[in-house]
Amino acid sequence: DAMVIQNPRYQVTQFGKPVTLSCSQTLNHNVMYWYQQKSSQAPKLLFHYYDKDFNNEADTPDNFQSRRPNTSFCFLDIRSPGLGDTAMYLCATSSDNRVNGYTFGSGTRLTVV
Amino acid sequence: GESVGLHLPTLSVQEGDNSIINCAYSNSASDYFIWYKQESGKGPQFIIDIRSNMDKRQGQRVTVLLNKTVKHLSLQIAATQPGDSAVYFCAESEDSNYQLIWGAGTKLIIKP
Repeated sequence: DAMVIQNPRYQVTQFGKPVTLSCSQTLNHNVMYWYQQKSSQAPKLLFHYYDKDFNNEADTPDNFQSRRPNTSFCFLDIRSPGLGDTAMYLCATSSDNRVNGYTFGSGTRLTVV
Repeated sequence: GESVGLHLPTLSVQEGDNSIINCAYSNSASDYFIWYKQESGKGPQFIIDIRSNMDKRQGQRVTVLLNKTVKHLSLQIAATQPGDSAVYFCAESEDSNYQLIWGAGTKLIIKP
């Protein structure tokens, strides 16, 4: 089945130790998004790729970076995780910036210790 | 924008009863609205959507109602089942803008 796959499902990292989360999709969607979701809150958009064009949200910390080497894969890099970065990180895809057909992965639960 | 706070509004419903989850949206220019269901430890799952040229749309066991006058959206779930337990988010968007504006979320609890 076509889907959005995130790895790993759970990640524990030490304060300040770089970590990379991955997302792959088989939907051939041209837009990929990264969201941060903290407990009992709505998802917060960090950035998105429209094809190869990177679009950062104004309030996304510089500590968060992203790479999209091809249509299928997208990575979230956190250069120096802080305790406040403990959250669920959600990857989503869509076609041509249309919100209908937003497909989410199951998320990566990141804990910074 | 993003919701703020540590406590989600909660709705407790008896199994078999109908559930109504409400959402007030913020942007008068929004013309597309979506309801998502998020189970514990999973990503949001699309339930149903509605465009601003409609005031009602029905799916399987779910109905979305849109009142643009008061900027209110509701999700009705018929004959609520244990598998409906989840957090439900509404989201709004302008067709010209990719970004979703999320509501605060409502936790639905099913009582046996």
